[in-house]
Amino acid sequence: DQQVKQNSPSLSVQEGRISILNCDYTNSMFDYFLWYKKYPAEGPTFLISISSIKDKNEDGRFTVFLNKSAKHLSLHIVPSQPGDSAVYFCAASDRGTGKLIFGQGTTLQVKP
Amino acid sequence: GAGVSQSPSNKVTEKGKDVELRCDPISGHTALYWYRQSLGQGLEFLIYFQGNSAPDKSGLPSDRFSAERTGGSVSTLTIQRTQQEDSAVYLCASSPRGEQFFGPGTRLTVL
Repeated sequence: DQQVKQNSPSLSVQEGRISILNCDYTNSMFDYFLWYKKYPAEGPTFLISISSIKDKNEDGRFTVFLNKSAKHLSLHIVPSQPGDSAVYFCAASDRGTGKLIFGQGTTLQVKP
Repeated sequence: GAGVSQSPSNKVTEKGKDVELRCDPISGHTALYWYRQSLGQGLEFLIYFQGNSAPDKSGLPSDRFSAERTGGSVSTLTIQRTQQEDSAVYLCASSPRGEQFFGPGTRLTVL
């Protein structure tokens, strides 16, 4: 039972363009959502989060959008840079438990 | 150091042997998590410690897996009688609340 799904295993974009990574979830109890970035041979690093009381959170080139009715969130990176090439995981939690459920990850490649 | 550390960074073992993986969380973080990432898969939750509460063991795949956290700090994940399907990167994370901070992981290879 995959509660958090990233249906696109990979994405390739040109430098300077927008990267859009998508994530769907099934558990309506989730109230906190996060994106993590992972380089090879390193642990994931926190990128950006959003609480269910918001529908948008922006931090520099990164913006996360949350559509609660569709149980869908997305991460927008603009402009994309070659250094953004990594695996991106979305995660969701019910703050009552503190446990994060991760998606399968999307590998982003930004071409110079 | 300031971050989460894990040891060893790599472990190669033979099928049937026991292994212990160590995690040193960030000082002061009350929550500690173990995940694993198998080849081509996402991050799979294993176990979660929060303060002095009973751990959430709901993600442990079998009774060969166990973990403890001593003194609310260091944690050890033990896998008994390892199998080839246990080969994965085992990640530890700690959290004060909200986002989790991950260690670099231990790559376990079971031959």
